[in-house]
Amino acid sequence: DAGVIQSPRHEVTEMGQEVTLRCKPISGHNSLFWYRQTMMRGLELLIYFNNNVPIDDSGMPEDRFSAKMPNASFSTLKIQPSEPRDSAVYFCASRVLDTWHSNQPQHFGDGTRLSIL
Amino acid sequence: KNEVEQSPQNLTAQEGEFITINCSYSVGISALHWLQQHPGGGIVSLFMLSSGKKKHGRLIATINIQEKHSSLHITASHPRDSAVYICAVSPNTGNQFYFGTGTSLTVIP
Repeated sequence: DAGVIQSPRHEVTEMGQEVTLRCKPISGHNSLFWYRQTMMRGLELLIYFNNNVPIDDSGMPEDRFSAKMPNASFSTLKIQPSEPRDSAVYFCASRVLDTWHSNQPQHFGDGTRLSIL
Repeated sequence: KNEVEQSPQNLTAQEGEFITINCSYSVGISALHWLQQHPGGGIVSLFMLSSGKKKHGRLIATINIQEKHSSLHITASHPRDSAVYICAVSPNTGNQFYFGTGTSLTVIP
């Protein structure tokens, strides 16, 4: 089975440029999460979706960040304009959220290592 | 305010040693997760616990719900166990995780 697929694996760009990170969740998973990981702050939740609907975006740092999930098999995280402090590893994860809200583990993608110069 | 605290932050052990990593949390939870991240690598879920103990190979995870504490044990540690181990909890409300800052483990041959 294919896991969570993220692209690109690495991105290096100059500050001010628009950056788009992509994620394909595991088929059948209906919850999707975007995380940011830095040495200083560890893993932080940015936003999550249930059934393609954004549920909690309180972790999104500021208006420069936006996320969409147009369908069950694709999500994007966009940063515009990018700044050096956005440099981090961005992870996407998905899980099954069933009607009983029983716990299922999250499955993580390999991450996108973003460097803003 | 950190909902999840891990200790130690860094740990170096000799191959073969028994290793314990601790996690304490302050919120009501429906489950606790132990995750493993190798250098430059992705994140893998090792265990999901809501009570008692689970074992997988040389890894053992325990949880005490009353004390809001969990431990991850590695028996007969090996250099390939070198990784960052992250504790995360699923709170009773909401669908998200709260993460600890991770424990960086290095096992020396």
